[in-house]
Amino acid sequence: EVQLVESGGGLVQPGGSLRLSCAASGLTFSKNALSWVRQAPGTGLEWVSIISDDATYTRYAGSVKGRFTISRDNSKNTVFLEMNSLRVEDTAVYYCAKSSGSGVGKDYLDSWGQGALVTVSS
Amino acid sequence: EIVLTQSPGTLSLSPGERATLSCRASQSVAGNYLAWYQQKPGQAPWLLIFGASSRATGIPDRFSGSGSGTDFTLTISRLEPEDFAVYFCQQYGSSITFGQGTRLEIK
Repeated sequence: EVQLVESGGGLVQPGGSLRLSCAASGLTFSKNALSWVRQAPGTGLEWVSIISDDATYTRYAGSVKGRFTISRDNSKNTVFLEMNSLRVEDTAVYYCAKSSGSGVGKDYLDSWGQGALVTVSS
Repeated sequence: EIVLTQSPGTLSLSPGERATLSCRASQSVAGNYLAWYQQKPGQAPWLLIFGASSRATGIPDRFSGSGSGTDFTLTISRLEPEDFAVYFCQQYGSSITFGQGTRLEIK
């Protein structure tokens, strides 16, 4: 069974930084792309970023481009989301999700973690 | 960016009834790369349907997806108590975008 466990969430001031981690088990980690998807309180889902299986390719939503960086360590079965210059509107639950394929396009998200809450507030 | 609009926003039905949820795209979804997810309060989304009409592993056959191009539908043939939740559609043919969700509530 695939398990994805996010960590690193918390309260941060506007302009601050935070690094989320997602530890995976129950899968051949190096064969799948991984995404981060966020959900602001009481609202819908917003895709944030994706990284290919070997980290060659990354993509970002326009709302986070230039501020967030996705990376992965295949030796530790972990994917990261480095978030800088955080804004109040970045407040959300951040989910790690496994892609059905290895690249950064044409794949759905077939397993999700339980999420990590990030609150940006002064 | 492809914008997905789901309707209705809220659907009130009784167990045993049939539910029909709509997802309309602002432009054609390449390859019918359209998925549906179910989300219950406090939980992560759960994949139901991919490729517009293929059920994910372990999903009961009362869930079915249909449609192509810009119009897609999720149908739940006979509602069970555990089906009352929020449903999101997602397109993955051109980057990834989600619809705003349909809340399915008990009447």
